[in-house]
Amino acid sequence: GENVEQHPSTLSVQEGDSAVIKCTYSDSASNYFPWYKQELGKRPQLIIDIRSNVGEKKDQRIAVTLNKTAKHFSLHITETQPEDSAVYFCAASSLTGGRRALTFGSGTRLQVQP
Amino acid sequence: NAGVTQTPKFQVLKTGQSMTLQCAQDMNHEYMSWYRQDPGMGLRLIHYSVGAGITDQGEVPNGYNVSRSTTEDFPLRLLSAAPSQTSVYFCASKVAENTEAFFGQGTRLTVV
Repeated sequence: GENVEQHPSTLSVQEGDSAVIKCTYSDSASNYFPWYKQELGKRPQLIIDIRSNVGEKKDQRIAVTLNKTAKHFSLHITETQPEDSAVYFCAASSLTGGRRALTFGSGTRLQVQP
Repeated sequence: NAGVTQTPKFQVLKTGQSMTLQCAQDMNHEYMSWYRQDPGMGLRLIHYSVGAGITDQGEVPNGYNVSRSTTEDFPLRLLSAAPSQTSVYFCASKVAENTEAFFGQGTRLTVV
């Protein structure tokens, strides 16, 4: 099955700096890569996603890049703010039991220091 | 439009007890899933469904049963609770494959 590895597990940045979180996946047939943000005690919520026919996608301060050859994708957050502090999960959509399902990375705890 | 609703929010069980975690969505989504979240391990897929009457096993299905008799509901049953099932459980739904998954607020389960 699919294996998604996420690094780093924790990341601390100063407010205004950029943050980068990286993920690798194992299944070359994976075709959809969402990123979820989970604030403490809350449910995960989608912040951005990218499909395999696109190399980069941007939404204001958030961008995601995908390298299909190397099988890795990254989340970039610019001009970080304290409210960006949360756990971020990457995921990849792969075939599981004959149907597509999401496999999640282990998460990155981002702390933005004011 | 309530989205995805899970009940209960918190539950304590004794080893060997059984219970059902409820999940309901009012968005007419065909796809529904159950995940468990453990520290340092992300979200792991337990079972999922692509429509009423259809269920499939995910990554960690042992000890759990599901059924999907209606589009709206996707209950998760713990047959005989074990301490290893202590976790936070999330239900999610989405309209189709490779689209945004909407999560419920989670159920924190402790098995003693």
